[in-house]
Amino acid sequence: DSGVTQTPKHLITATGQRVTLRCSPRSGDLSVYWYQQSLDQGLQFLIQYYNGEERAKGNILERFSAQQFPDLHSELNLSSLELGDSALYFCASSVDESYNEQFFGPGTRLTVL
Amino acid sequence: GENVEQHPSTLSVQEGDSAVIKCTYSDSASNYFPWYKQELGKGPQLIIDIRSNVGEKKDQRIAVTLNKTAKHFSLHITETQPEDSAVYFCVTGNQFYFGTGTSLTVIP
Repeated sequence: DSGVTQTPKHLITATGQRVTLRCSPRSGDLSVYWYQQSLDQGLQFLIQYYNGEERAKGNILERFSAQQFPDLHSELNLSSLELGDSALYFCASSVDESYNEQFFGPGTRLTVL
Repeated sequence: GENVEQHPSTLSVQEGDSAVIKCTYSDSASNYFPWYKQELGKGPQLIIDIRSNVGEKKDQRIAVTLNKTAKHFSLHITETQPEDSAVYFCVTGNQFYFGTGTSLTVIP
């Protein structure tokens, strides 16, 4: 158990809908990262937050947004969902914003029908 | 952005043999090179990392070598065991670029 929790574990929704994925980092970790894992794209970095502020952005679509709250938990919002958004979404956390080990949660499997 | 190439994509070895996975990268500014292991149904987990001021690092049966001049680094697993079967990812850039993964199968 990495100490990172993600909810829900599974999510099934329809095209055009909006969903919110939630992540609680390990106790004491200030950085949160979001990744998308699909069969054809591998593990793609989406976005990083550090202590409530956006720190780095990867290949995150404009339909996706995230935020980190004062209690350090983070949410990833996915809107106008398309079939191609079906994937595993991982959250990871690390102690700070420098190059250190990232601890990954168990992931949320999103299925868009 | 960073371009990370990882080879091979699949690897089967007999238990007790060694396994080697290689990655090349393009960003010369990269200075942190971790390797993650992902077991079925789980998130990736760090198994070893190396920083650019070191050429080699070893942790029991696992070692990583780095050639910054050639921009490549490798994961070496010796005396492989069935529980080593998983997908392995190299990571580089600012730690956000994952390789395409190597599915390792250790045959008992």
